[in-house]
Amino acid sequence: TQLLEQSPQFLSIQEGENLTVYCNSSSVFSSLQWYRQEPGEGPVLLVTVVTGGEVKKLKRLTFQFGDARKDSSLHITAAQTGDTGLYLCAGFSGSARQLTFGSGTQLTVLP
Amino acid sequence: DTGVSQDPRHKITKRGQNVTFRCDPISEHNRLYWYRQTLGQGPEFLTYFQNEAQLEKSRLLSDRFSAERPKGSFSTLEIQRTEQGDSAMYLCASSPRLAGGQYNEQFFGPGTRLTVL
Repeated sequence: TQLLEQSPQFLSIQEGENLTVYCNSSSVFSSLQWYRQEPGEGPVLLVTVVTGGEVKKLKRLTFQFGDARKDSSLHITAAQTGDTGLYLCAGFSGSARQLTFGSGTQLTVLP
Repeated sequence: DTGVSQDPRHKITKRGQNVTFRCDPISEHNRLYWYRQTLGQGPEFLTYFQNEAQLEKSRLLSDRFSAERPKGSFSTLEIQRTEQGDSAMYLCASSPRLAGGQYNEQFFGPGTRLTVL
């Protein structure tokens, strides 16, 4: 069974601060996705990383895929209140043919 | 709006009743997935279709659950004899076939929140 562990589970910070969220597994994934989910809504895809060591930037968000394709991180610079939400990582393995999700990091950015 | 849509958004039912949910995927996506999400957890895979064929089912999908995608477009998920433990958000996602034949990216609908009393 593939397992994705996210840390921290909860994170509360002040607006303007930086933060990093981690996603770790003992399994190798062919690709990894990051989603953000708001209460009562479905997850919204933020980024897909597929190459070991890959770094992708989306405005103030920086995503990195580990060299061994077992872990990933999401770094947010100068957090804003609009960044509040549940951040989910999900790994896709060709052998499993479906996404395995982590349990998420609930981020709260305070004004 | 050309995103994934789900209906209804909310469903409250009594234990023992049957419920059916509908999902309309993005039109050019030939893979469709169903997930279940409980509070404080990430989505858990239930089943997926490629066109009208149901290719994989999770062990989470008990005999009371059945999913169909009769014409390879919309899909329905039916739960028979609902139990309180079925209370959850049921999410549908669709996926395009990318260059190289991969289906890495999934786009989610807003979900159906089921409450079983």
